[in-house]
Amino acid sequence: KNQVEQSPQSLIILEGKNCTLQCNYTVSPFSNLRWYKQDTGRGPVSLTIMTFSENTKSNGRYTATLDADTKQSSLHITASQLSDSASYICVVSGGLRSTLTFGKGTMLLVSP
Amino acid sequence: EPEVTQTPSHQVTQMGQEVILRCVPISNHLYFYWYRQILGQKVEFLVSFYNNEISEKSEIFDDQFSVERPDGSNFTLKIRSTKLEDSAMYFCASSLDSGQYEQYFGPGTRLTVT
Repeated sequence: KNQVEQSPQSLIILEGKNCTLQCNYTVSPFSNLRWYKQDTGRGPVSLTIMTFSENTKSNGRYTATLDADTKQSSLHITASQLSDSASYICVVSGGLRSTLTFGKGTMLLVSP
Repeated sequence: EPEVTQTPSHQVTQMGQEVILRCVPISNHLYFYWYRQILGQKVEFLVSFYNNEISEKSEIFDDQFSVERPDGSNFTLKIRSTKLEDSAMYFCASSLDSGQYEQYFGPGTRLTVT
């Protein structure tokens, strides 16, 4: 069964600090991996999309990595801001129907 | 910047009633999707739609659900006879193409079935 597991479930960090969120997946065949940011009560917003051949991709203060061999990805946030407080969702596209499989997300709270 | 819009933002309905959730995808996009998110749980794929027909659907998308593109702009999700467990946030998304193209999500419709 296609699954996406994320850790930690939740995280509290001080404003200005860095953090790294983890994602493991078992989706096969693999097409691409996406990281989304979801503010409470809003739709997910795409941060990065990586294909099999990409190891790292950056979007401002967000840097995603992908190890397709170990089926792991990480999202690194540098110099966190209060507005970074949100749920960060790892999403893998693939499987027999190339549909999106979502993780449960990591709830990040950036405190002043 | 173009965005996906959804109406209503919140819908309350009684069990057994029919509801129609509406979405206006980004105008030049060709692929349309519905997802749902039960409170506190992960987002789940319901259905994808391309060229005026369903291209993929999940096990959740049973005979109670249907989708339609009644005109050139709207994309609707109909739930024929709502159940308590249909209470969730429903997100519409659209993309220019399938595969690795980015999906743009709407703000969601919160459906509450009483």
